[in-house]
Amino acid sequence: EVQLVQSGAEVKKPGESLKISCKGSGYSFTSYWIGWVRQMPGKGLEWMGIIYPGDSDTRYSPSFQGQVTISADKSISTAYLQWSSLKASDTAMYYCARGGRELLPDYWGQGTLVTVSS
Amino acid sequence: QSALTQPASVSGSPGQSITISCTGTSSDVGGYNYVSWYQQHPGKAPKLMIYDVSNRPSGVSNRFSGSKSGNTASLTISGLQAEDEADYYCSSYTSSSTLLFGGGTKLTVL
Repeated sequence: EVQLVQSGAEVKKPGESLKISCKGSGYSFTSYWIGWVRQMPGKGLEWMGIIYPGDSDTRYSPSFQGQVTISADKSISTAYLQWSSLKASDTAMYYCARGGRELLPDYWGQGTLVTVSS
Repeated sequence: QSALTQPASVSGSPGQSITISCTGTSSDVGGYNYVSWYQQHPGKAPKLMIYDVSNRPSGVSNRFSGSKSGNTASLTISGLQAEDEADYYCSSYTSSSTLLFGGGTKLTVL
């Protein structure tokens, strides 16, 4: 069974750094892309970017390029989404999702709620 | 890259059929047969309902179907049931080798 298990909710202050994780199991982690999707409170889904753990090829949405860093550690089947300096506007639910055909998500993690508040 | 265009809301009565549209451009929806649809219930993660425009994953009811014409993809739900009430999102592969989501459609079962 394919599973993506994300790290727990985070509460941070503006300017702090953060790295959240997504651990894949039940499939060959290095053979599928893993992407990240933002959902701000009461809003829709926004595609942030994606990584291929097999060779670390990474692509970003123009809206998120330079704002976040996506990485992966294939030795522990885990992908990461990282911020160097959080803003209040980063408050959202973040989902990881396995990329199926042409990167489109087929399996989703349960989501990680990130709250940024002073 | 702008989000794909979906109606904000649709509604229907139990047993009826509804269709949700998803309009893009020739650089995304119109250029590839790589459109997916997702269902999201409140407080839950999205769930894949349709992939490659018209294919259903195992376990998804055959009441859900997808199609595409030009730059517009569509999701049709037949025999509406109360459990279908949710938000629905389309997504498409793009010519930039990235993805776009639609703005989402809230389905209300009357």
